[in-house]
Amino acid sequence: DAGVIQSPRHEVTEMGQEVTLRCKPISGHDYLFWYRQTMMRGLELLIYFNNNVPIDDSGMPEDRFSAKMPNASFSTLKIQPSEPRDSAVYFCASSLGTGGIPVQYFGPGTRLTVT
Amino acid sequence: SQKIEQNSEALNIQEGKTATLTCNYTNYSPAYLQWYRQDPGRGPVFLLLIRENEKEKRKERLKVTFDTTLKQSLFHITASQPADSATYLCADSGNTGKLIFGQGTTLQVKP
Repeated sequence: DAGVIQSPRHEVTEMGQEVTLRCKPISGHDYLFWYRQTMMRGLELLIYFNNNVPIDDSGMPEDRFSAKMPNASFSTLKIQPSEPRDSAVYFCASSLGTGGIPVQYFGPGTRLTVT
Repeated sequence: SQKIEQNSEALNIQEGKTATLTCNYTNYSPAYLQWYRQDPGRGPVFLLLIRENEKEKRKERLKVTFDTTLKQSLFHITASQPADSATYLCADSGNTGKLIFGQGTTLQVKP
């Protein structure tokens, strides 16, 4: 398996623009997680899905952030409108949680810069 | 709410020595504690997991301990090498599948 795939790897955008980050989890995994990492706050969980259903979105900072998982092999995280404080590295991770130990497999991340 | 606390200061050690990293939790005892390694520009990679009822787990040069009385897990790397230089993250995982991560401790092994 190729592991968790994220795109794009780098995104530079201007304040006010819409940003869409994409993730393909490991085939067969039933959990998908979106994290944000900054020097100040570390690795923060934004939202996670189980079997394509959002379970906990309490980490989503505000209404400008939204996430979808239309099927088991694809998820998006959208920021609209983007702001400079959204600059961070966004990671997607997946795991086989049902009946197994919840080890998470992370993608390479998307480095977002909002100017 | 649960907090996972790791020493935010970098740990610098000499090659060949044992590195010991600390992870403390503040509230309930996690069902599992997981340790991940993160290299610059990459996502975290799973290393080891220890269950609440286990005192110690080993994998090659790595050893993890879990002390529920002290609310602490220790992560040891024996015979450390420059290639072990990275940030190490501790995470609480329960039955929900969700992880709560600490801030991570950066280890620098000098030749």
